[in-house]
Amino acid sequence: EDKVVQSPLSLVVHEGDTVTLNCSYEVTNFRSLLWYKQEKKAPTFLFMLTSSGIEKKSGRLSSILDKKELFSILNITATQTGDSAVYLCAVLIQGAQKLVFGQGTRLTINP
Amino acid sequence: GAVVSQHPSWVICKSGTSVKIECRSLDFQATTMFWYRQFPKQSLMLMATSNEGSKATYEQGVEKDKFLINHASLTLSTLTVTSAHPEDSSFYICRLTGTSDEQYFGPGTRLTVT
Repeated sequence: EDKVVQSPLSLVVHEGDTVTLNCSYEVTNFRSLLWYKQEKKAPTFLFMLTSSGIEKKSGRLSSILDKKELFSILNITATQTGDSAVYLCAVLIQGAQKLVFGQGTRLTINP
Repeated sequence: GAVVSQHPSWVICKSGTSVKIECRSLDFQATTMFWYRQFPKQSLMLMATSNEGSKATYEQGVEKDKFLINHASLTLSTLTVTSAHPEDSSFYICRLTGTSDEQYFGPGTRLTVT
C-alpha cells in the first residue's frame, strides 16, 4: 500500500524562527513529490520535486528531495504569522496520476 | 492556471437526503478527475478516480452506491452523496488532470449533514 508520512504532526514556533518539515514515503511507481499549503480551503501548490538533490526555492521557502532515502524536507526561514497553515506532502504516482497525501503538519507561528 | 469551480461551496442537508456536488473547469480539459474528502484536522483521502466517459474507480472502503460519480464531459464531474448521514459531513475537493503535467484543485465543498 502506498504510504506518505509527515512529521511532526504539529509545530508551534515564534515569529522569526526557522522550521523544517519532514516527509517520508513508500510507494510503488514514484513520479514526483509535491508540497502544498492549506489554510481554510483547498491546498495551494508550493513545490514539485522530481529529481534528487536539487533544491527548489521560493522566497523564504525551500525544499529538497532524497530519492535514495525516500524523503523530502520543506524549510521555512524567518517565519511570519501568515505562514501558519497545514502543510501537506503528497506523492504523485506514475501512470495513474494519483496523489497520495501525508497526514499534514499543522504549523502555528506565534507573534 | 485554469479556473476550477465547485458548486455549492457550502451545503447543509438533512439526514437521508441526497446532495449533488459539481466540479467544473472553465478552461481546462480534464481527462481525469479525482474526488477527495477531508475530515476535520485530517488529510485529504482519495475517494475515487474518474476518466471522462468511463465508470469511476473507487478506493477501498468507499461505497460506490453511496457516492455516485459522473464524469460526463472534459469540463464537468459530479459527486452525489446519496442518503447522506452525519458521518458524511466533510470537505469534498475535486482535482483535475489533463494530458500534460498540469493539475488543479477545485476550491472545495463543505457538506454538513444534520
